[in-house]
Amino acid sequence: DAGVTQTPRHEVAEKGQTIILKCEPVSGHNDLFWYRQTKIQGLELLSYFRSKSLMEDGGAFKDRFKAEMLNSSFSTLKIQPTEPKDSAVYLCASSFSGGSAETLYFGSGTRLTVL
Amino acid sequence: GDSVTQKQGQVTLSEDDFLFINCTYSTTTYPTLLWYVQYPGQGPQLLLKVTTANNKGISRGFEATYDKGTTSFHLQKASVQESDSAVYFCALVESSGSWQLIFGSGTQLTVMP
Repeated sequence: DAGVTQTPRHEVAEKGQTIILKCEPVSGHNDLFWYRQTKIQGLELLSYFRSKSLMEDGGAFKDRFKAEMLNSSFSTLKIQPTEPKDSAVYLCASSFSGGSAETLYFGSGTRLTVL
Repeated sequence: GDSVTQKQGQVTLSEDDFLFINCTYSTTTYPTLLWYVQYPGQGPQLLLKVTTANNKGISRGFEATYDKGTTSFHLQKASVQESDSAVYFCALVESSGSWQLIFGSGTQLTVMP
């Protein structure tokens, strides 16, 4: 399968814990996005990388959220410390740089529950 | 800044009903407008793309048309099936040049058999 791979699919954390979500983009894609999805807020952009350089870090999410792109084929999103309000689905997406929407592929997401 | 508004949070239909989901947008440039579909347990996937060049997009029986006068673009399908049950998002390609997407809040479509 050549799509975007996210692990784990589900994560349960206690308040105050540190969690790390993982994403492998489509091979050859240069742009990588992290989104948070909730029923109330919809899809919110957390981070955006182009060729491993952080282009946008999602403003309101700066303090406890940190995304990194360790190499062109692997990215992590760390939430430290977690809070119950962080419960959401976290989606990773990748595309060719400056490409059109046809090249944007999403992973299936990680559902995070913070108790 | 650019924005999209999708007011229909939930739509429930019966099979073979007509589907219409509306979305309005605000941008300073010629828009590229998109519809995504998200099935349970999956990420969103592109359904349709509409630009000022084509004004209309068609895919898998769905059709999207944009109206510059009312700055709206809607998604329609003549006859929905139970398998169309999903969340539908409209999106706008940001005009700043980063080509990031601005998503609407989504419409949960439930089609009853």
